[in-house]
Amino acid sequence: GAVVSQHPSRVICKSGTSVKIECRSLDFQATTMFWYRQFPKQSLMLMATSNEGSKATYEQGVEKDKFLINHASLTLSTLTVTSAHPEDSSFYICSAEGTFNEQFFGPGTRLTVL
Amino acid sequence: GQQLNQSPQSMFIQEGEDVSMNCTSSSIFNTWLWYKQDPGEGPVLLIALYKAGELTSNGRLTAQFGITRKDSFLNISASIPSDVGIYFCAGQLNSGGSNYKLTFGKGTLLTVNP
Repeated sequence: GAVVSQHPSRVICKSGTSVKIECRSLDFQATTMFWYRQFPKQSLMLMATSNEGSKATYEQGVEKDKFLINHASLTLSTLTVTSAHPEDSSFYICSAEGTFNEQFFGPGTRLTVL
Repeated sequence: GQQLNQSPQSMFIQEGEDVSMNCTSSSIFNTWLWYKQDPGEGPVLLIALYKAGELTSNGRLTAQFGITRKDSFLNISASIPSDVGIYFCAGQLNSGGSNYKLTFGKGTLLTVNP
């Protein structure tokens, strides 16, 4: 139980294009999902909290117009990196909140912007 | 944002040895979580602790929620090569409302020599 998937697992795109990453809770419903970013050899950095049916809450310093989050259903949240640039290259990981508010993480998406 | 003090940063041990790592915080948490992350993957939840003083086991793993609510440790007994990875502690302050964000430690890189 408590399986979270992400798609795609890796993506390479040209600078200036937009990339959408999907996060799905496969065997449970999640009112709340979270989006993290992780640089090599570093810990996870929370970008935003995604709540089903409402606007996402962004952490300080994260541009909401650049990282668009949509949580349209209890099993799906999407992160769109708009007008991606090389500095946006990173490992993006989502998590879904379980029954006891623990977080179950997806396998991550490696984004490379050329 | 705030980070937990996790130590050690890295460990090199022989197969069969026991391992101990810990996290401390200047502020209290209501929940402590321990995750393991393999390269290129998302973190996997190992143990969740919900009560001060709680001692919980999961196979060869044992974790405790410090009585002061400001620390936690994780022990791994009889290590095996597949224990290799990065271990993260995470604290959660369930203060009600919608604040269930995790605060992560910087991770402990474990290497097990066969």
